Amino acid sequence: AQSVAQPEDQVNVAEGNPLTVKCTYSVSGNPYLFWYVQYPNRGLQFLLKYITGDNLVKGSYGFEAEFNKSQTSFHLKKPSALVSDSALYFCAVRDDSSASKIIFGSGTRLSIRP
Amino acid sequence: EAQVTQNPRYLITVTGKKLTVTCSQNMNHEYMSWYRQDPGLGLRQIYYSMNVEVTDKGDVPEGYKVSRKEKRNFPLILESPSPNQTSLYFCASSLSHHKRINEQFGPGTRLTVL
Repeated sequence: AQSVAQPEDQVNVAEGNPLTVKCTYSVSGNPYLFWYVQYPNRGLQFLLKYITGDNLVKGSYGFEAEFNKSQTSFHLKKPSALVSDSALYFCAVRDDSSASKIIFGSGTRLSIRP
Repeated sequence: EAQVTQNPRYLITVTGKKLTVTCSQNMNHEYMSWYRQDPGLGLRQIYYSMNVEVTDKGDVPEGYKVSRKEKRNFPLILESPSPNQTSLYFCASSLSHHKRINEQFGPGTRLTVL
């Protein structure tokens, strides 16, 4: 069965410092991995995805994520955090053995202090 | 503007009073889905539709119905709402149901059932 874990409910980072939001997954087939961001009172916005190929994926707003097959992880990263990055972040996974099922993590609230 | 719209955005109702939350997309997307977001649980898929007249259950379909009579619309129906259906609901759509495609989300509907 598919599952996604975001082990941290909250991540606090000072502006200008690098940030990491963790995500690990479990699938039976090959994974398709996604990161979404949710700003207050807004829907989810797509950030980036890993389908195949290069393990380092670059996305919107300067975010990137690294796919690590041996550790079954897909951590979201940014070299220098901005206060405007403060939001709720969701990791999601699909696998090629299930029909259209997508599983979301529980979300991590990222707080960037000035 | 290409978008997914939902109505209403906010709704307070009472137990047992039938309600419908509408969802519409103007991008000619084949795939549409409904999610509910609850604290600590992330997003869970309620129902999805791969095309007109094709719908299927997600992970938490109990107490909900959907229909897909037209490509652009995918209403969510609660025949007899109960307090445990108090939640934040999101509609989403994508060009196809292919697992590589990320979804575009609507702004959300906050439902309270008293």
